[in-house]
Amino acid sequence: SAVISQKPSRDICQRGTSLTIQCQVDSQVTMMFWYRQQPGQSLTLIATANQGSEATYESGFVIDKFPISRPNLTFSTLTVSNMSPEDSSIYLCSARGGTNSGNTIYFGEGSWLTVV
Amino acid sequence: GNSVTQMEGPVTLSEEAFLTINCTYTATGYPSLFWYVQYPGEGLQLLLKATKADDKGSNKGFEATYRKETTSFHLEKGSVQVSDSAVYFCALSETGANNLFFGTGTRLTVIP
Repeated sequence: SAVISQKPSRDICQRGTSLTIQCQVDSQVTMMFWYRQQPGQSLTLIATANQGSEATYESGFVIDKFPISRPNLTFSTLTVSNMSPEDSSIYLCSARGGTNSGNTIYFGEGSWLTVV
Repeated sequence: GNSVTQMEGPVTLSEEAFLTINCTYTATGYPSLFWYVQYPGEGLQLLLKATKADDKGSNKGFEATYRKETTSFHLEKGSVQVSDSAVYFCALSETGANNLFFGTGTRLTVIP
């Protein structure tokens, strides 16, 4: 199995600022993803983080608001830019393991952001 | 499109009670179905999965059967424990796709 570490685990952010969340996986994985879970809602996929190239964003999410990096197979960052209270959410990093893990999708503990 | 609808919570049960959390789905193809669990302060963990119709996934006393005719994947456990208190998420993944579609989650609290 893959162990996924995220930081920060929690933060309180000022409106208009930006915050970068880091995600580290303990083994090489094929795919990495970023999800958002707004209060009382389901998890929603933001984007797929592609190694060495631009991320693939889902409908409703754009690079200017959520820039993503993935410089290698085990690390990715998500930046939430120019934050507003509507960005208060849990942001989860996710990774798909290889065939040895049955292609299971693993999740980090989440980064709980509150924008004030 | 793809979507997952699961039973709204919160659900509160006494220890050793029977648990059912309902989950139904809509999908354009033949999805794989999953239950994830999130214990307090921890990340999402895969609880069980089923990849085709009539498959039964099971783990830690929990089980769910992939019912294509009713498009359902209800989670059951015969006797819950306090340690089962968590949020449970039903999810699906289309064949060949890499991401998951999640239900809204159901919070379970088991009291002694």
